[in-house]
Amino acid sequence: NAGVTQTPKFQVLKTGQSMTLQCAQDMNHNSMYWYRQDPGMGLRLIYYSASEGTTDKGEVPNGYNVSRLNKREFSLRLESAAPSQTSVYFCASSEGAGVRSTDTQYFGPGTRLTVL
Amino acid sequence: DQQVKQNSPSLSVQEGRISILNCDYTNSMFDYFLWYKKYPAEGPTFLISISSIKDKNEDGRFTVFLNKSAKHLSLHIVPSQPGDSAVYFCAASPRDDKIIFGKGTRLHILP
Repeated sequence: NAGVTQTPKFQVLKTGQSMTLQCAQDMNHNSMYWYRQDPGMGLRLIYYSASEGTTDKGEVPNGYNVSRLNKREFSLRLESAAPSQTSVYFCASSEGAGVRSTDTQYFGPGTRLTVL
Repeated sequence: DQQVKQNSPSLSVQEGRISILNCDYTNSMFDYFLWYKKYPAEGPTFLISISSIKDKNEDGRFTVFLNKSAKHLSLHIVPSQPGDSAVYFCAASPRDDKIIFGKGTRLHILP
């Protein structure tokens, strides 16, 4: 039981390049989330998916797209990377369908992304 | 504008003593509060939570206190152990809505 896995662990991009961050969970959870964490900042929600087939914007969605490929997988795409997107990206999942604050969120280990 | 504030970026506490981490919030609609713990190079893990209908919740060495009138919560760790050295994020949420995280407090447990 791996929990929440993320690939890659590290990535360096040049400005303007695109890439997709992958996330998968094996807990049969309904909701999935993408956060970013910048130095001296808390976790900020980028996008979330309250159930398979639905996605919604979070606090900082600009410059990102997401796909809820199936119940297990939720990917985050940067179409044209910018230095401001240098950050650590965390994927999380929770059991309930629909955002419920009382549902514990389980986080992956993160992807450290640097955009030059 | 920060809705969840952790004003102490870091805190050092002697092993065996009490660690107290503080958190303030501004949104009166928040009714559920959480603490997450994060080690370097790992994702955050849930530690403890409290609903607004309570003023205290205890789980082993960890106790969270909520003062609604002051819009303040605190996490007490007693006794502090070396493995408690980590970054602690306070988080809050309105009912059935997204969680908002504070900036975190780095706790150092000194031998």
